[in-house]
Amino acid sequence: LAKTTQPISMDSYEGQEVNITCSHNNIATNDYITWYQQFPSQGPRFIIQGYKTKVTNEVASLFIPADRKSSTLSLPRVSLSDTAVYYCLVARKEGSSYKLIFGSGTRLLVRP
Amino acid sequence: GAVVSQHPSWVICKSGTSVKIECRSLDFQATTMFWYRQFPKQSLMLMATSNEGSKATYEQGVEKDKFLINHASLTLSTLTVTSAHPEDSSFYICSASQVQGGVEAFFGQGTRLTVV
Repeated sequence: LAKTTQPISMDSYEGQEVNITCSHNNIATNDYITWYQQFPSQGPRFIIQGYKTKVTNEVASLFIPADRKSSTLSLPRVSLSDTAVYYCLVARKEGSSYKLIFGSGTRLLVRP
Repeated sequence: GAVVSQHPSWVICKSGTSVKIECRSLDFQATTMFWYRQFPKQSLMLMATSNEGSKATYEQGVEKDKFLINHASLTLSTLTVTSAHPEDSSFYICSASQVQGGVEAFFGQGTRLTVV
């Protein structure tokens, strides 16, 4: 599976927009890009997925350039409760499911 | 969204004993479930892929005889840590996806195992 690289940590303030960029240079044609959020002592929670261009849902946007070698998760107007670890993953289908390999993640700290 | 439940949420066991962790998909069927292990301040490490009705597929470096996986139905996978030792203390997490449901995976709340 394609390895992902993202910042180890980021700091922000309440109300700001946060952009976390991830590189995945070896992404394959049929791979998807997906992001998860994890709070301490909890399982990860799905945020968003995309294949190319821009995807937006009620919590985030995902920007993927044409070459798909990177992606940017955008969190609008973060709050203290957005303090968490954010994982960028490349999902590759194996059998009936997509296999997810987690990278190091980005620890986001939102300050008052 | 779909719900995956793990049981127990936490367990303390004596060194040398075995512990079973259950992972259930509550409102959907999952032919494949995944088991992860996470040490403090680290990322999730994929241990194995649990396939309903067949043998699990283990990642490189994971001992299949130590971490027994059984996926007997479309809604239940179990992970048994055999002859547990203190170094097996970790946070174990399972995930499942809906059959033909796409990329999104649903994770359990995790099981904190402490071996004393």
